[in-house]
Amino acid sequence: DAGVIQSPRHEVTEMGQEVTLRCKPISGHDYLFWYRQTMMRGLELLIYFNNNVPIDDSGMPEDRFSAKMPNASFSTLKIQPSEPRDSAVYFCASSRTGAFNQPQHFGDGTRLSIL
Amino acid sequence: GQNIDQPTEMTATEGAIVQINCTYQTSGFNGLFWYQQHAGEAPTFLSYNVLDGLEEKGRFSSFLSRSKGYSYLLLKELQMKDSASYLCAVRGDYNTDKLIFGTGTRLQVFP
Repeated sequence: DAGVIQSPRHEVTEMGQEVTLRCKPISGHDYLFWYRQTMMRGLELLIYFNNNVPIDDSGMPEDRFSAKMPNASFSTLKIQPSEPRDSAVYFCASSRTGAFNQPQHFGDGTRLSIL
Repeated sequence: GQNIDQPTEMTATEGAIVQINCTYQTSGFNGLFWYQQHAGEAPTFLSYNVLDGLEEKGRFSSFLSRSKGYSYLLLKELQMKDSASYLCAVRGDYNTDKLIFGTGTRLQVFP
């Protein structure tokens, strides 16, 4: 079975540019999560969706960040304008509704560098 | 507030046993997860505990004490490939699927 698929794997861009990260969750999973990981702060939840609806975006750092999930198989995380402090690894994860022991499955991440 | 504490780094020798501790203070509790993350890779699920006690899965075991807000991951017969970061994560409130992650413990296994 295909896992969570993220693209691009690496992104290097200049400050001020728009960045779009993409995620395809595992088929049948109805939860999708966006995380950011840095050495200093570890893994932080940015936003999560249930059945394509944003449930909690309290982790989104500021208005420069936005996320959408237009359908069950695709989500984007956009940063506009980007800043050097946004440099991090961004992970997407998905899970299915059910018992509380359902783990989240992570994609390989996008390593983002803002110059 | 929500807080999860883990040691930053640990070292151990191949073939030995190592215990990685995790303490948590969250507004609710509906389970604790352990994930393994190799450098440059995605976190992968290792174990889940919701009731007090020990859950064993091959060389890895995980223990939970809800009254103490404490868990540990026990790795036996260490192998070089076990060198990785180990992340503790708690599902807090009942009406949420959010996980709160600790900053992880980087384990280095030496020959």
